[in-house]
Amino acid sequence: EVQLVESGGGLVQPGGSLRLSCAASGFTFSNFWMSWVRQAPGRGLEYVATIKPDGSEGYYVDSVKGRVTISRDNAKNSLHLQVTSLKAEDTAVYYCARQGEYCFDSWGQGTLVAVS
Amino acid sequence: DIVMTQTPLSSPVTLGQPASISCRSSQSLVHIDGNTYLSWLQQRPGQPPRLLIYKISNRFSGVPDRFSGSGAGTDFTLKISRVEAEDVGIYYCMQGRQFPWTFGLGTKLEIK
Repeated sequence: EVQLVESGGGLVQPGGSLRLSCAASGFTFSNFWMSWVRQAPGRGLEYVATIKPDGSEGYYVDSVKGRVTISRDNAKNSLHLQVTSLKAEDTAVYYCARQGEYCFDSWGQGTLVAVS
Repeated sequence: DIVMTQTPLSSPVTLGQPASISCRSSQSLVHIDGNTYLSWLQQRPGQPPRLLIYKISNRFSGVPDRFSGSGAGTDFTLKISRVEAEDVGIYYCMQGRQFPWTFGLGTKLEIK
């Protein structure tokens, strides 16, 4: 069974930084593109970032470019998101998601980041 | 970016009756490889999203066959043949045709 477990969220002051993590199990992690998707309180879903299976390249939505770095450790089956210069509008639940065929086929439970 | 527009925003439905949600994209979702990358997700209250349908009409593993997807080009529909209580939640369409992937704003399915 595919499992994705996020951690690292919390309350941060504006301008602060956080490193989110996602522990993956139940599948061959190194074979899959992985992403982060966020959801502000009471709002819809917003794609944040994606990383290739070998970790060689990351892609970012314009709204976070320059402040966010996605990375992975295939030896530890883990995905990370480093977020800096946090703003109030970054407040959201951040989900780790596995990419299937141009879709997100598995999701974690999410970790809440609150900027205040 | 491709804009995804869902209608209605809210859909009250009687248990056992059908439900239908529409999704329109601001440009064609046909990929250069010939596939159309439109998917549907369900988010039950307090839960993370869950993939229901991918590539317009393919049900993901474990998804009941009362869920079906259809459409082409820029217009797509998710149908639930007979709504059950566990179907309450918000439904999102999503395009994987062009980076950045984008979602509709969601349709809230409620029981009358």
